Amino acid sequence: AAGVIQSPRHLIKEKRETATLKCYPIPRHDTVYWYQQGPGQDPQFLISFYEKMQSDKGSIPDRFSAQQFSDYHSELNMSSLELGDSALYFCASSSRVGQPQHFGDGTRLSIL
Amino acid sequence: GNSVTQMEGPVTLSEEAFLTINCTYTATGYPSLFWYVQYPGEGLQLLLKATKADDKGSNKGFEATYRKETTSFHLEKGSVQVSDSAVYFCALAIEGAQKLVFGQGTRLTINP
Repeated sequence: AAGVIQSPRHLIKEKRETATLKCYPIPRHDTVYWYQQGPGQDPQFLISFYEKMQSDKGSIPDRFSAQQFSDYHSELNMSSLELGDSALYFCASSSRVGQPQHFGDGTRLSIL
Repeated sequence: GNSVTQMEGPVTLSEEAFLTINCTYTATGYPSLFWYVQYPGEGLQLLLKATKADDKGSNKGFEATYRKETTSFHLEKGSVQVSDSAVYFCALAIEGAQKLVFGQGTRLTINP
């Protein structure tokens, strides 16, 4: 069965650079979620989208923005990167609000 | 607020031992409860879920029962295998809300 696809799998950036993470949800899933998982930490919710509209917002820094496109894929844009942004970034999708979330394998972002 | 507290790890067991990972929650509404498993280098996989009190979720020999009176959702397995070695996350989602709230994760290692 098709799963959530995230790209890239690994990304290395320097401080103050920008990064774009992409997420392709499971077909027919209309809700996308982004989480950040620091080393040895639990995932923290950043933001979610339902039918291309932002539906909930968590602890997402103002330097980050995200959107969901007409084909339901989503992109997380990160600017002025800081060392503390080094983490695993997960995307998840669900068929609708309240349904179980299915996670991608994540993008590991390293800031040098 | 909404929070999840898990048994601290790491937990190390021998193959075929009985497993319990404790999970308790605090929630302002009526949560659905989940266990996710994260294998090394991979994303979070939904292991099992329960959506209302006294529901029992089960999958791959793992079980957890939603106990409203004790606000708990402990994960159990009768006989663990080496392949069960992973990090296990307990999580909740409040009805009508989007995000998952995770516990801190419990690293499980099974020795042959």
